[in-house]
Amino acid sequence: DVKVTQSSRYLVKRTGEKVFLECVQDMDHENMFWYRQDPGLGLRLIYFSYDVKMKEKGDIPEGYSVSREKKERFSLILESASTNQTSMYLCASRDRGTYEQYFGPGTRLTVT
Amino acid sequence: DQQVKQNSPSLSVQEGRISILNCDYTNSMFDYFLWYKKYPAEGPTFLISISSIKDKNEDGRFTVFLNKSAKHLSLHIVPSQPGDSAVYFCAASEELMNYGGSQGNLIFGKGTKLSVKP
Repeated sequence: DVKVTQSSRYLVKRTGEKVFLECVQDMDHENMFWYRQDPGLGLRLIYFSYDVKMKEKGDIPEGYSVSREKKERFSLILESASTNQTSMYLCASRDRGTYEQYFGPGTRLTVT
Repeated sequence: DQQVKQNSPSLSVQEGRISILNCDYTNSMFDYFLWYKKYPAEGPTFLISISSIKDKNEDGRFTVFLNKSAKHLSLHIVPSQPGDSAVYFCAASEELMNYGGSQGNLIFGKGTKLSVKP
């Protein structure tokens, strides 16, 4: 079974703090993704990576950065958290040559 | 501009009856379609998929139908069970290439919340 884990299920941070969200997958997948999910807006792609040290912007990259130093780990960084970044953050991974993405359990981030 | 649209934010169905969730798309380059199911406070889980070369795919109680000319797909759940109550996301992808880049990335609809009442 593919397993995607995220470092925290729930996180509360203050405005202006630097926030790190970690994601680890155990299936040697090349592709990894960060989404945020908001009510009525569905899943929106923030950043993705198709190889170690490679990263590409998704649809809503503003205010975020990412890091992929190892194949199994993909980190999302909020340089200076703002209240409009309060959301559910979902990490996913995908094997090369397949369409299906496997999701982690999500991190519910609240910025106060 | 939304490329994948789920026009019904919610659907309520009686247990044992059929649930039909609909999805429309605008990009004629989409080649592969997936449905995901999501419970609150959990990540989405893959449910069923269909390639553009098919018009139907079935897996137990779940069937996905694809009408390419109408750019429309639907998910049928028969019979519906209370445990099916969740948000269902339709997703689509252009043809997958085996090199890097955005090929194979999924475009998601906004979701339909299904409630199955006992």
